[in-house]
Amino acid sequence: GENVEQHPSTLSVQEGDSAVIKCTYSDSASNYFPWYKQELGKGPQLIIDIRSNVGEKKDQRIAVTLNKTAKHFSLHITETQPEDSAVYFCAATYFYNFNKFYFGSGTKLNVKP
Amino acid sequence: KAGVTQTPRYLIKTRGQQVTLSCSPISGHRSVSWYQQTPGQGLQFLFEYFSETQRNKGNFPGRFSGRQFSNSRSEMNVSTLELGDSALYLCASSSGVGRGTDTQYFGPGTRLTVL
Repeated sequence: GENVEQHPSTLSVQEGDSAVIKCTYSDSASNYFPWYKQELGKGPQLIIDIRSNVGEKKDQRIAVTLNKTAKHFSLHITETQPEDSAVYFCAATYFYNFNKFYFGSGTKLNVKP
Repeated sequence: KAGVTQTPRYLIKTRGQQVTLSCSPISGHRSVSWYQQTPGQGLQFLFEYFSETQRNKGNFPGRFSGRQFSNSRSEMNVSTLELGDSALYLCASSSGVGRGTDTQYFGPGTRLTVL
């Protein structure tokens, strides 16, 4: 089955700096890659996603890049703010897998004011 | 539009008991997926239901079961609880009409503690 690895497990940045979280996947059939943010006591919230027919997607301060050849995708957060502090998860799945998503182990992002 | 709701939010049970968790998806969504989240294993897929049919399941023992009703609400049941079943159980809803790569929206979860 698919295996998704996520790095780093923790990331501490100064407010205003950029943060990058990287994920690799093993199954070349995977073609949908969402990113979730989970705050304490809450369920994961979708922040951005990318499908394999595009290489990059941006939404204000958040961007995701995908390299299908290398089987990795990354989350980029620019101009970080204290409210960005949370645990971020990457995930992957493929057509006809009926919403069975494979999640990375999570990255705890701490943005210091 | 209201989000995904899960009830109860917290549960404390003892070993050997059984438990039922409930999930109401976003209005119009017909797919409900369940995940178990633990510090050691992370987020693991339990099963997915669409139009009252289980379409996919993860690698969990038969003690974990689920069902979906005609109004798309779903329940999951864990029988003969073990200490290792202590976890946050998350429900996610999606339209279900795509090719299995639908955008999923998670509920707040049910925190189950087994003593």
